[in-house]
Amino acid sequence: DTEVTQTPKHLVMGMTNKKSLKCEQHMGHRAMYWYKQKAKKPPELMFVYSYEKLSINESVPSRFSPECPNSSLLNLHLHALQPEDSALYLCASSQAGQGVRGYTFGSGTRLTVV
Amino acid sequence: GENVEQHPSTLSVQEGDSAVIKCTYSDSASNYFPWYKQELGKRPQLIIDIRSNVGEKKDQRIAVTLNKTAKHFSLHITETQPEDSAVYFCAATRGAAGNKLTFGGGTRVLVKP
Repeated sequence: DTEVTQTPKHLVMGMTNKKSLKCEQHMGHRAMYWYKQKAKKPPELMFVYSYEKLSINESVPSRFSPECPNSSLLNLHLHALQPEDSALYLCASSQAGQGVRGYTFGSGTRLTVV
Repeated sequence: GENVEQHPSTLSVQEGDSAVIKCTYSDSASNYFPWYKQELGKRPQLIIDIRSNVGEKKDQRIAVTLNKTAKHFSLHITETQPEDSAVYFCAATRGAAGNKLTFGGGTRVLVKP
């Protein structure tokens, strides 16, 4: 299996809702990432998990809460989002440590906050 | 932190011609440089990468060159085809634990039949 699977593919949520994005990979990668991508822009890093521990938080607002329950799963919990948080949320995975290889990206969750 | 600049932002070429995209980076410790292709509404896909101990790498119609001294690297696509139309992103990383990729701003390539 050489894929990163993200669910759901599309999500519409109100500003008072709580929802979660899910990401799964079975490539044995021990680094997993959340990126946010706005239209016509490059992906922006949000969080990095390395060996199931949060190693980088790029000053992301607390309304985004990541979780890595095990080496194959990565969640992003969403609460009280704003319309400007509407974007494509990409999960990625890679080998961890020195000698990084390229990321494998999931297909993303297109989030619309209304 | 690392900063990656990418040029041009848009590139229109005739089918069969070559396309060249250039990136510069700021962190001399960066040692891994991947290129991603993103079609409309799809995920970024790794198309080629290069490490700092290599000056050039080729894969069929795609090649990447790296100049460590000048801190710039380039993507070359030869014999372009309409299916090459997409947004291309360069990226750079030190490759250390955390593996943070810093992306360039992207180049929208249009190949005209």
